[in-house]
Amino acid sequence: EIVLTQSPGTLSLSPGERATLSCRASETINNNYLAWYQQKPGQAPRLLIHGASSRATGVPDRFSGSGSGTDFTLTISRLEPEDFAVFYCQQYGSSPMYTFGQGTRLDIK
Amino acid sequence: QVQLVQSGAEVKMPGSSVKVSCKTSGGTFRRNTVSWVRQAPGQGLEWLGRISPYVGTRNYAQKFQGRVTIIADKFSDTAYLELSSLRSEDAATYYCAIDGGFGYFDPWGQGTLVIVSS
Repeated sequence: EIVLTQSPGTLSLSPGERATLSCRASETINNNYLAWYQQKPGQAPRLLIHGASSRATGVPDRFSGSGSGTDFTLTISRLEPEDFAVFYCQQYGSSPMYTFGQGTRLDIK
Repeated sequence: QVQLVQSGAEVKMPGSSVKVSCKTSGGTFRRNTVSWVRQAPGQGLEWLGRISPYVGTRNYAQKFQGRVTIIADKFSDTAYLELSSLRSEDAATYYCAIDGGFGYFDPWGQGTLVIVSS
């Protein structure tokens, strides 16, 4: 099973700042099949990025994904108040055995 | 627009079983896979398994093998998750989600809270 480790656990930033979230895999993710989700309190997760760098429909372009192999990054270029949430990465390269990272909490500073 | 609507909250005794439903609309059932993911209170996301209704295949996470069953009713476009031998650690919100064939999930149902308590 591929283990995903996200860092940092918590990130405290102010609106307008840039956020960089990391997701590291225990082994290479085939085809860079890595997705990112945003989850707000009391809501289901929402897909942001798939295929490591492809934005899902309707996702603002301040969200971007990058990386390959075992190291992946989600960047939010300029934080808006509605961006603060918990973010999860998920690998689907070893389909159908899907795994998630433990999450990064993005808090308002 | 694709929508997934799940059944309501459940309170179950330890050792019993729970069955959660996920009704899809928008024509996605016929060409997609439905996965189930759970989230314990304050914790992360955990994939349980998936079903491809029209192909007839199922896959389960090894951790839940023998305790989880996922079925689909093609006539009502509804998927079901059944988890047996419930223990306190199974208390969580259970989500269904559409897997468009690649393995990422979009959209998701609203979630079903399962409480396990004596």
